[in-house]
Amino acid sequence: GENVEQHPSTLSVQEGDSAVIKCTYSDSASNYFPWYKQELGKRPQLIIDIRSNVGEKKDQRIAVTLNKTAKHFSLHITETQPEDSAVYFCAAKSGGSYIPTFGRGTSLIVHP
Amino acid sequence: DVKVTQSSRYLVKRTGEKVFLECVQDMDHENMFWYRQDPGLGLRLIYFSYDVKMKEKGDIPEGYSVSREKKERFSLILESASTNQTSMYLCASMGGYEQYFGPGTRLTVT
Repeated sequence: GENVEQHPSTLSVQEGDSAVIKCTYSDSASNYFPWYKQELGKRPQLIIDIRSNVGEKKDQRIAVTLNKTAKHFSLHITETQPEDSAVYFCAAKSGGSYIPTFGRGTSLIVHP
Repeated sequence: DVKVTQSSRYLVKRTGEKVFLECVQDMDHENMFWYRQDPGLGLRLIYFSYDVKMKEKGDIPEGYSVSREKKERFSLILESASTNQTSMYLCASMGGYEQYFGPGTRLTVT
């Protein structure tokens, strides 16, 4: 089955810096890669996703890049703000499965 | 707006008790999931249902069962609660690609 590795497990940055979280996946059939943000005490919510026919997607300060050959994808957050502090989960899903496979999460801490 | 609700935010049960966690979604989604969330271990899939009365085991089904008698409702059952089942339980539903999560139930088994 699919295996998703996520790094780092903890990331601490100063406000205004950029943050990058990386994930690798094992199943070449995976074609959908979402990122979820979970603030403390709240539910995970989708913040951005990318499909395998696209190499990069941006939404204001966040972007996701995908390298299908290397089987890795990354979340980039620019000009970080304290409200970006949260746990971020990556996931991968193939078209033949209903079930996404999640990474273990990255705790991002943005210091004011 | 998709709404996924869970029956309790916090629950305290004794070892050996039968525990029911309920999840309800209002978007007519076919797919529903139960996850367990523990620090450093991420979201681990317990069970998945793709239709009424249909279920599949996830990565950690031992000690759990599920029930889906109606499309909008997916229940997680701990037949005999144990202390190692103390955790945060998250329900999710999915209609297309995006998963919508419930607020979670923090279960403590003493």
